[in-house]
Amino acid sequence: AQTVTQSQPEMSVQEAETVTLSCTYDTSESDYYLFWYKQPPSRQMILVIRQEAYKQQNATENRFSVNFQKAAKSFSLKISDSQLGDAAMYFCAYGPSGTYKYIFGTGTRLKVLA
Amino acid sequence: DTEVTQTPKHLVMGMTNKKSLKCEQHMGHRAMYWYKQKAKKPPELMFVYSYEKLSINESVPSRFSPECPNSSLLNLHLHALQPEDSALYLCASSPGTSGGLSSYEQYFGPGTRLTVT
Repeated sequence: AQTVTQSQPEMSVQEAETVTLSCTYDTSESDYYLFWYKQPPSRQMILVIRQEAYKQQNATENRFSVNFQKAAKSFSLKISDSQLGDAAMYFCAYGPSGTYKYIFGTGTRLKVLA
Repeated sequence: DTEVTQTPKHLVMGMTNKKSLKCEQHMGHRAMYWYKQKAKKPPELMFVYSYEKLSINESVPSRFSPECPNSSLLNLHLHALQPEDSALYLCASSPGTSGGLSSYEQYFGPGTRLTVT
């Protein structure tokens, strides 16, 4: 069965510092996609970053970057220069190619300290 | 326009009521989704429509009835709900057309907070 694990229920980071959120997944598929979503207390899920499994290059979006280790089945999210607006629940999601079904991790709540 | 809209924002209904949730997108996406989310939990997939046809039903009770009248609109009809159905109901859409990563990127609406009394 495919699973996604986020082992950090809660993390804290000082404003302007860097934080890394971990995500591991289990699959026997070779072609799939990985996503990080952010859900602030206002509740709308926002796509932060995405990665295609067959691309070795790690995705980056401004202050957000991933460390994708396919062999280790690891997909961590690094947030640089953390801002108060980054405070949210972060969900890692796995999506096999050819299906519309995501498998979400349990989420990591990120607190940003001023 | 990368927006998915949902109405109403909040809904309180009794167990004998019939109500509907509405979701709309104008991005030309061909796949639309309903999720249920409990507090501090990840979203749980309920239904997926692809090209206006029901593609996935995650064994959802029949008191939830989805409808996709056209490619931009998705409804969720509610009838005889239970208090445990109280949750945030999220709609999402994805391109679902060309294949590749962009086909599967899901864009979420702000949700409808449902309370069943």
